[in-house]
Amino acid sequence: DAGVIQSPRHEVTEMGQEVTLRCKPISGHNSLFWYRQTMMRGLELLIYFNNNVPIDDSGMPEDRFSAKMPNASFSTLKIQPSEPRDSAVYFCASSLQEGLAGGPNTDTQYFGPGTRLTVL
Amino acid sequence: SQQGEEDPQALSIQEGENATMNCSYKTSINNLQWYRQNSGRGLVHLILIRSNEREKHSGRLRVTLDTSKKSSSLLITASRAADTASYFCATDYQLIWGAGTKLIIKP
Repeated sequence: DAGVIQSPRHEVTEMGQEVTLRCKPISGHNSLFWYRQTMMRGLELLIYFNNNVPIDDSGMPEDRFSAKMPNASFSTLKIQPSEPRDSAVYFCASSLQEGLAGGPNTDTQYFGPGTRLTVL
Repeated sequence: SQQGEEDPQALSIQEGENATMNCSYKTSINNLQWYRQNSGRGLVHLILIRSNEREKHSGRLRVTLDTSKKSSSLLITASRAADTASYFCATDYQLIWGAGTKLIIKP
């Protein structure tokens, strides 16, 4: 199994530009998570999907951030327009959640390698 | 606010010694998980302990859970240089992670 795949691995862009991060979860997993990690704030959950439906997006910082999951094998996190404070490592993770959507996640999350975003 | 908070924030020990990290959380949980993150990489799952369990072992790892104190500890015995990493705890419902404990194993 290839594990969770993220692209690009590194992204450098200028303030104001649109940034799109991509994630392919592990085949068969039904939950997908987007995280952001910085030195200052640590690891933050941005949004998570269950069966392609956004369940909790309370961690999305503001309207500049949006996430989609058009099918079970692909998700995107978009930042438009980007700002220097968005610079961070963005991780995608997936898991096989058994039980009711929105209920407790008792299953291991498998993380991708992350996308290091630098906004100049 | 964060659901899980680890302490200490940083820990430096000699190879072969035991390392203990703690995690506190704020609300009721069904389970608590510990993860490891090597520098610049994604997190890797180490162990999960359910709310009705008090202790769990996996190789050199020992996790305890005290639901009355809303705390958990991770013990790594006979530490190795390869254990150098950041360690995170995470609870289930809120999926909120602590800032992690940075563990450095000195040769």
